[in-house]
Amino acid sequence: GAVVSQHPSRVICKSGTSVKIECRSLDFQATTMFWYRQFPKKSLMLMATSNEGSKATYEQGVEKDKFLINHASLTLSTLTVTSAHPEDSSFYICSARDTSTGRDYEQYFGPGTRLTVT
Amino acid sequence: GQNSDQPTEMTATEGAIVQINCTYQTSGFNGLFWYQQHAGEAPTFLSYNVLDGLEEKGRFSSFLSRSKGYSYLLLKELQMKDSASYLCAVANSGAGSYQLTFGKGTKLSVIP
Repeated sequence: GAVVSQHPSRVICKSGTSVKIECRSLDFQATTMFWYRQFPKKSLMLMATSNEGSKATYEQGVEKDKFLINHASLTLSTLTVTSAHPEDSSFYICSARDTSTGRDYEQYFGPGTRLTVT
Repeated sequence: GQNSDQPTEMTATEGAIVQINCTYQTSGFNGLFWYQQHAGEAPTFLSYNVLDGLEEKGRFSSFLSRSKGYSYLLLKELQMKDSASYLCAVANSGAGSYQLTFGKGTKLSVIP
């Protein structure tokens, strides 16, 4: 089955620094990937849609200059949290669609990255 | 856009049947998903409904009524491992990319 990986699984950084999170589709090509954020006991909130070779589409209220998304290849999208603040501490999850299966409605989720900003 | 609503918590007994409801309001509807999420883990896909009716898959079934903006997930023969959060998510194909808007999730606790 389709597998999506994320790296790192956990990261602790100091306030003001930047952190990069990688999302990879391991056995399929993903023209579209999604980035979500989930606060404790809350549901997933879509941050942005990442399209290979083009600019990401950000949801309302998500600062594109703070959350930089790069989808440079069909198997890799990165999310960089710039100038991190403690309120950015959250669980970041990516997902990817495999459009080759005919089940392109299905999103495969990565295992998530727990970011803690101190 | 769209938003969805589901109960916050439910408790059921091992071996029983439980139904988790989800109501939604939407424009550009392109299907409704159910995901299971254990604490600290990513969601896993359970079902996808785009047409009205019941989809059965083993112990899990999902129902959709587009006219009523309503779906439910039915879990039969509950097992302790079914304790998790269950998220309904509505898909919007406006951008051709099946963007998902998740509900707040229902935390199901299965007790002996």
